[in-house]
Amino acid sequence: KNQVEQSPQSLIILEGKNCTLQCNYTVSPFSNLRWYKQDTGRGPVSLTIMTFSENTKSNGRYTATLDADTKQSSLHITASQLSDSASYICVVSAGGWADKLIFGTGTRLQVFP
Amino acid sequence: GAVVSQHPSRVICKSGTSVKIECRSLDFQATTMFWYRQFPKQSLMLMATSNEGSKATYEQGVEKDKFLINHASLTLSTLTVTSAHPEDSSFYICSARDLNSYGYTFGSGTRLTVV
Repeated sequence: KNQVEQSPQSLIILEGKNCTLQCNYTVSPFSNLRWYKQDTGRGPVSLTIMTFSENTKSNGRYTATLDADTKQSSLHITASQLSDSASYICVVSAGGWADKLIFGTGTRLQVFP
Repeated sequence: GAVVSQHPSRVICKSGTSVKIECRSLDFQATTMFWYRQFPKQSLMLMATSNEGSKATYEQGVEKDKFLINHASLTLSTLTVTSAHPEDSSFYICSARDLNSYGYTFGSGTRLTVV
């Protein structure tokens, strides 16, 4: 069964600190992995997209890693800001490049001053 | 970058009435659009896949007569919640797949409240 699991479910950190969110997946065939940021009451916004051959990809203070062998990905946030408070969703695409998306349950991040 | 516009952002309606939600790709053509439903503190749940010029494909358990989807052009898909009931209250999100880049872009969502 295709599944995407994320941990932790929720996380509280102080402004300026770093944090790492985890994503484990059992999706076959694997096509690509995406990280999205979803603010409360808004639609998801793409942060990174990685294919099988990519190990890391950065987008500003966000750095995603992918280990296709262990089927794990992480999203590292550097020097967190209050505006980073949101849900972060790991999404794995099964099949072709634009095929079915399997959503993780998300990690709810809260950044406090 | 690709932009998907979703309207309205919030709507309150009475039980028994119908509500239409629009999803537009503003700067790209989308042969395929997707409609999701999201409950509080849960992830997105795919309701249906909408293909331009053809009937939508609904996920198991989603009533196609209740959630009418129309994808009349390469830039517009609509979701109509018919005879709405309080249990239909939820956050509905659309996404569009860019024909050229195969990227997925999400709309900003619609908060539906049925009273």
